[in-house]
Amino acid sequence: EAQVTQNPRYLITVTGKKLTVTCSQNMNHEYMSWYRQDPGLGLRQIYYSMNVEVTDKGDVPEGYKVSRKEKRNFPLILESPSPNQTSLYFCASRRTTDTQYFGPGTRLTVL
Amino acid sequence: QKEVEQNSGPLSVPEGAIASLNCTYSDRGSQSFFWYRQYSGKSPELIMFIYSNGDKEDGRFTAQLNKASQYVSLLIRDSQPSDSATYLCAPTSGSARQLTFGSGTQLTVLP
Repeated sequence: EAQVTQNPRYLITVTGKKLTVTCSQNMNHEYMSWYRQDPGLGLRQIYYSMNVEVTDKGDVPEGYKVSRKEKRNFPLILESPSPNQTSLYFCASRRTTDTQYFGPGTRLTVL
Repeated sequence: QKEVEQNSGPLSVPEGAIASLNCTYSDRGSQSFFWYRQYSGKSPELIMFIYSNGDKEDGRFTAQLNKASQYVSLLIRDSQPSDSATYLCAPTSGSARQLTFGSGTQLTVLP
């Protein structure tokens, strides 16, 4: 089954404790992205990657890191999480054509 | 700053009526336009996409695009309670054709 998977789905952590949210796709897509979604603000892009070892900032990259060492994986790293990073996070992937597929989401709470 | 504006909700329509969702965008270079549906707490799922001016129909859904007016809309005919969700408009922008999402319109279809 073609899909984008994220782990964990739910995470509660404390300020400053490094965490990684994994994202994997099995569709051999070139493009992958991370978004955060907050009430009233819609989906905002954090980072995106056009291929292995090629990443670029989206609209809200501060406080986040990403890497793309393999085509299928695109982890999101929060080196020192803060409460304002409490949000619902989505990973997404697509080919060079535009139809984008989303993962199930990760609900992160930073205390 | 690329902006995507959607008509403010929530929008309520009776079952069987036509729901009309509107979206304007600021980037004249946008080439592709996507409508996603998102149920509460779930990931966005693609409803329709449109590239060319005019109408595109798919079942009960019709997307309308007017690039000169920078306007795209989604009509849902014979609305059903299962159509109750938030609808996200997303034009592409930039050389990487990234999606920029509006904040969404919440639709409620009343039985």
